Amino acid sequence: NAGVTQTPKFRILKIGQSMTLQCAQDMNHNYMYWYRQDPGMGLKLIYYSVGAGITDKGEVPNGYNVSRSTTEDFPLRLELAAPSQTSVYFCASSYSIANQETQYFGPGTRLLVL
Amino acid sequence: GNSVTQMEGPVTLSEEAFLTINCTYTATGYPSLFWYVQYPGEGLQLLLKATKADDKGSNKGFEATYRKETTSFHLEKGSVQVSDSAVYFCALRPNSGGYQKVTFGTGTKLQVIP
Repeated sequence: NAGVTQTPKFRILKIGQSMTLQCAQDMNHNYMYWYRQDPGMGLKLIYYSVGAGITDKGEVPNGYNVSRSTTEDFPLRLELAAPSQTSVYFCASSYSIANQETQYFGPGTRLLVL
Repeated sequence: GNSVTQMEGPVTLSEEAFLTINCTYTATGYPSLFWYVQYPGEGLQLLLKATKADDKGSNKGFEATYRKETTSFHLEKGSVQVSDSAVYFCALRPNSGGYQKVTFGTGTKLQVIP
């Protein structure tokens, strides 16, 4: 299994540009998550999904959109990039939402908005 | 709300030294507690977890005990190696029905020198 994969690894955007961060998992997990990590801060949840066709907002959803058309893929869309979106983005997945459930993370996408 | 507080890093130790990374939490009830580790260039991965008071999680020589009375989950290792150099995240997940988000600490960077 490849686990959770993310592309690209690094990207520079200009203000106002748009892009899609790709995330895929091959573990047949129903639950998927997008986090952002800012320097010196913990991970903040952007969006999550409990299954194909079902998504919901996390703590910091503004400026982002997601879709979940398949179990495997959970892309994150930035429509109008802003400097405040400079961060490292992590995608994660889990088999269930039980409180003791482990989340599996991708390697992250580093985004710089100038 | 829920929160996790970790000691600030970076922590620099010589090989074979004893490691303690402090973690305290604020939450209602009895959350599940986790330590995740992030090696350079990789995503977070679960190191150990504990789901109830007085439980001890252990893995790869690391240990942490769920202390309800002090709301702590400190990470310890008796003899660190250069390969333990990474960023360590403490996290909690409430023990309630339905989806409950994971709250992460800010991470503690550990550097082990030969």
